[in-house]
Amino acid sequence: QSVLTQPPSASGTPGQRVTISCSGSSSNIGSNYVYWYQQLPGTAPKLLIYRNNQRPSGVPDRFSGSKSGTSASLAISGLRSEDEADYYCAAWDDSLSGSWVFGGGTKLTVL
Amino acid sequence: QVQLQESGPGLVKPSETLSLTCAVSGYSISSGYYWGWIRQPPGKGLEWIGSIYHSGSTYYNPSLKSRVTISVDTSKNQFSLKLSSVTAADTAVYYCISGSSIDYWGQGTLVTVSS
Repeated sequence: QSVLTQPPSASGTPGQRVTISCSGSSSNIGSNYVYWYQQLPGTAPKLLIYRNNQRPSGVPDRFSGSKSGTSASLAISGLRSEDEADYYCAAWDDSLSGSWVFGGGTKLTVL
Repeated sequence: QVQLQESGPGLVKPSETLSLTCAVSGYSISSGYYWGWIRQPPGKGLEWIGSIYHSGSTYYNPSLKSRVTISVDTSKNQFSLKLSSVTAADTAVYYCISGSSIDYWGQGTLVTVSS
């Protein structure tokens, strides 16, 4: 049972816009930044979005992040076949002594 | 550019201690950053294990805290993970990580707990 809640799957056709949600609580998303990671099959995760909506150098502007209250979303526009991957949201959680918490991951299928 | 490379046994017996090392290149550990470990059981999601700051402060996943030790060896520019009393549930790909946004990841190493 993951602390952050994501839908297990999402899908779209090439060119479409898809969004992936991430729900948390006041101790994590509600009070800290949200991060998104992309994990292509058989590879290590890669940072996609940091501090809610910032893209690291090299990440296409097709990827965008947003946060409102205790929820966050990742949007992918102009969907491409190479976007087929698992996506994870993460945030620091202030409860107990503090820890990073993750969503269970969303498998994105490009139809 | 920070580069990370995990190393350690791929097979550990139940009840024993899992030990992994992460070699860092492209950056001096003593200069800053956070250094830590995340694991991923086969076919499952990501679980943060813990992190250590360059100052030496450590933060551990509350569910693993009693069994985890993360330490830094600045002379070798590497950091390590020890997880004691392992069971089959600890079988996973272990990634070493760094950066305040978990910017950098090693390629991961599969550790299987089995007799």
